[in-house]
Amino acid sequence: EPEVTQTPSHQVTQMGQEVILRCVPISNHLYFYWYRQILGQKVEFLVSFYNNEISEKSEIFDDQFSVERPDGSNFTLKIRSTKLEDSAMYFCASRQGPSGYTFGSGTRLTVV
Amino acid sequence: RKEVEQDPGPFNVPEGATVAFNCTYSNSASQSFFWYRQDCRKEPKLLMSVYSSGNEDGRFTAQLNRASQYISLLIRDSKLSDSATYLCVVTITGYMEYGNKLVFGAGTILRVKS
Repeated sequence: EPEVTQTPSHQVTQMGQEVILRCVPISNHLYFYWYRQILGQKVEFLVSFYNNEISEKSEIFDDQFSVERPDGSNFTLKIRSTKLEDSAMYFCASRQGPSGYTFGSGTRLTVV
Repeated sequence: RKEVEQDPGPFNVPEGATVAFNCTYSNSASQSFFWYRQDCRKEPKLLMSVYSSGNEDGRFTAQLNRASQYISLLIRDSKLSDSATYLCVVTITGYMEYGNKLVFGAGTILRVKS
């Protein structure tokens, strides 16, 4: 079964450092997403991406965040200057049609 | 008011029990409805979509009441392996029709004990 692959599975970074979280969506999917889940809290939408541009972003997705699809297969989330409160699980997801989301297994980001 | 509200639980039930989870959503324009399952520190996985007519998948039955903005999930004959967090999820079509982000409830914890 096709899957969404995320790397790394766990990233520890110092406050103020830049991090890039990587995702390889399912190859024939057209819509890409990042969600995050702070420990003990709900899964929250960050950003959706379609046709090489952001289609929607949440209030969380401020100027510190950016997304890219640099080569037609990878889909990355960059956090420019990490804060302690950015510590969370970050899930990448992709879909083909109206439903049928597939989530990656996530990257646990720990900011120290 | 939260967009999607769920009883956080935990629900502690013996094997074989029937358990029901409820969920309400605030946006009457919500388009699609789902139950996801999430194991500890894992990604959410789709359990089932929820249709207005109600639908069943084995031991799982989902119901939707659009008028009351209420969704339910019934699990019959609970198994130890059903222990997880159950997430009520809706889609609210964004400004761009294809945005279609998922809006998650905080989840209901189920613990099935032998």
